[in-house]
Formats: sequence, C-alpha cells, structure tokens
Amino acid sequence: SQTIHQWPATLVQPVGSPLSLECTVEGTSNPNLYWYRQAAGRGLQLLFYSVGIGQISSEVPQNLSASRPQDRQFILSSKKLLLSDSGFYLCAWTSPAGFGNTIYFGEGSWLTVV
Amino acid sequence: EDQVTQSPEALRLQEGESSSLNCSYTVSGLRGLFWYRQDPGKGPEFLFTLYSAGEEKEKERLKATLTKKESFLHITAPKPEDSATYLCAVKDSSYKLIFGSGTRLLVRP
Repeated sequence: SQTIHQWPATLVQPVGSPLSLECTVEGTSNPNLYWYRQAAGRGLQLLFYSVGIGQISSEVPQNLSASRPQDRQFILSSKKLLLSDSGFYLCAWTSPAGFGNTIYFGEGSWLTVV
Repeated sequence: EDQVTQSPEALRLQEGESSSLNCSYTVSGLRGLFWYRQDPGKGPEFLFTLYSAGEEKEKERLKATLTKKESFLHITAPKPEDSATYLCAVKDSSYKLIFGSGTRLLVRP
C-alpha cells in the first residue's frame, strides 16, 4: 500500500531564517506531488505541484520554492521566512494514471514564524 | 475561474440530529468532486469521490450526492465522533485540486 511521510511535524523558526520541509511517498512510482498551505480556520491553498522529477509548477508568487530531486521526494524551501509564512503545510500525492484520481494527504507540518 | 463555496461555515448539531452540508462549484470540465474530513492538527482524510451528476456514495452515517452545480454531504443520526471540518474540492482538466473553505461540524452528546 502507498504511504506518505512528511517532516518535521512542528517547527518554530525566526523571521529571516531558512526553511526546509520534506515529503516522501512510498509504494508508488511517478506520482503527482503537491504542496498546500492552510492558514488558521481557512481552506487549503495550492502552492506547488509536480508531475515529474525536476518539473515544478508554482501557483502562488511568494518567497517559497519547491524541488523534486527524486521521483518520490518533494521539498518545500525558503531562504528567508516571513511572518506571513506561518501556517499548516500539507504534502499530497496522486497516481498519474488519470485526471480524476484521488489526492491523498500527509499529516502536515505546523510552521510558526516568530 | 474554478470556484468552490461551502456552506454553512459552521454547524452545531445534537447527537442524532440529521443535517446536510452544501458545496457549490463552478469548474471547467469537472474531473471529480471530492469530500474530505479533517480533524484538528491533522491532514485531510479522503471520504468520497463523485464524478457525474446523479451519483451517490455512502459510508456509515455519511452520504454524498452530486448535481451539475453542487454536492451535498448528508449526515444521518450523527455522533460526537463525527465532529470535524468537512472539506469539498473539485478537480478540473488540469492536475489541480481546488478546495472550499470547509464546514466545521460540532456534534454535541
């Protein structure tokens, strides 16, 4: 069966510090991968998605970036965090077999920028 | 532009009091409408996928239905453990899943 792992689960970072959140998927090949952000009490905002190694599409201009160095690894980064980057970050995956396939989420990473 | 609107924002029910959550959408080329349950501090948990108008799916006390413009999540005789935020999302002809802001459900014993 397929599983998705996301870490760290919680982190507190000062303004201006770098960020790296990592996500890996097991049990599948060539998944479509996603990074979402959820502000407190709000819906999920799509940040990045990837359909293959090195292929990244950005949905929201910001100081975040994403990379996909391996087939089942997706990394969210920032060189300098802003207070507004605080939120709940979710990695997700889906099979590439069809457009209607379900997207499955990891457990999320809570980021507080202080 | 694809858009998903959920109502109500919050709903309080007594245990056993049935109700429905609404998800209205506009999308070019619907490739699926998805319902998720999200508990506080957790990632969304997949519940249902609906693909075409008239389709219905059930799971325990939950039943999801779909029309050309909206979807309903019916909760029959809810229990306190059904308390959570319920998220609706649509997938269009791209790879993206567009979410509504969710309905926070509280079921009191």
